[in-house]
Amino acid sequence: GNSVTQMEGPVTLSEEAFLTINCTYTATGYPSLFWYVQYPGEGLQLLLKATKADDKGSNKGFEATYRKETTSFHLEKGSVQVSDSAVYFCALSVSSGGGADGLTFGKGTHLIIQP
Amino acid sequence: DAGVTQSPTHLIKTRGQHVTLRCSPISGHKSVSWYQQVLGQGPQFIFQYYEKEERGRGNFPDRFSARQFPNYSSELNVNALLLGDSALYLCASSLIAYEQYFGPGTRLTVT
Repeated sequence: GNSVTQMEGPVTLSEEAFLTINCTYTATGYPSLFWYVQYPGEGLQLLLKATKADDKGSNKGFEATYRKETTSFHLEKGSVQVSDSAVYFCALSVSSGGGADGLTFGKGTHLIIQP
Repeated sequence: DAGVTQSPTHLIKTRGQHVTLRCSPISGHKSVSWYQQVLGQGPQFIFQYYEKEERGRGNFPDRFSARQFPNYSSELNVNALLLGDSALYLCASSLIAYEQYFGPGTRLTVT
């Protein structure tokens, strides 16, 4: 089956620090990979995506590279801000004959940025 | 364009009751998926519908059912509610098969 493992939180950093949130996956077939962000009291927002090996997704200063050889999709940002405080979810989806399967999510990583 | 909308925002039900949650997708999106998010966990896939047909089902009991209407809106029904059904229920719509956009969710509390 499909599964996503991401680092446990909370992760606490100071403003302007470098961020890495690790994500590894197991999938049947060739998955598309995603990072979603959830701010307090809100639904999930798509942060970035990558659909094939070696693709790099990027948005709002965040980046993640689809590494097939290590089955990883680590999220990075060079300089975090207090406004980046949220819960981050790594997810995958595998295409099937009728479209894409539902998303499989990791448990989430709570990121806290201190001023 | 309006995003995915869900109703109601919050709901309190008693064990054994039935509940219906509603979702309207982004205009032009023909696929709707439902997820259950228990506090502190990642969302779990419940159903996916495309063009009014069920295209995928997660590992949930038969008490959970859904349908999609001709205007692509969707309902999630849960019968015989249990305390463990308390969660945030998320709806997502998609145009491209794998890129899903989520609504704000319905917070269900079962007492």
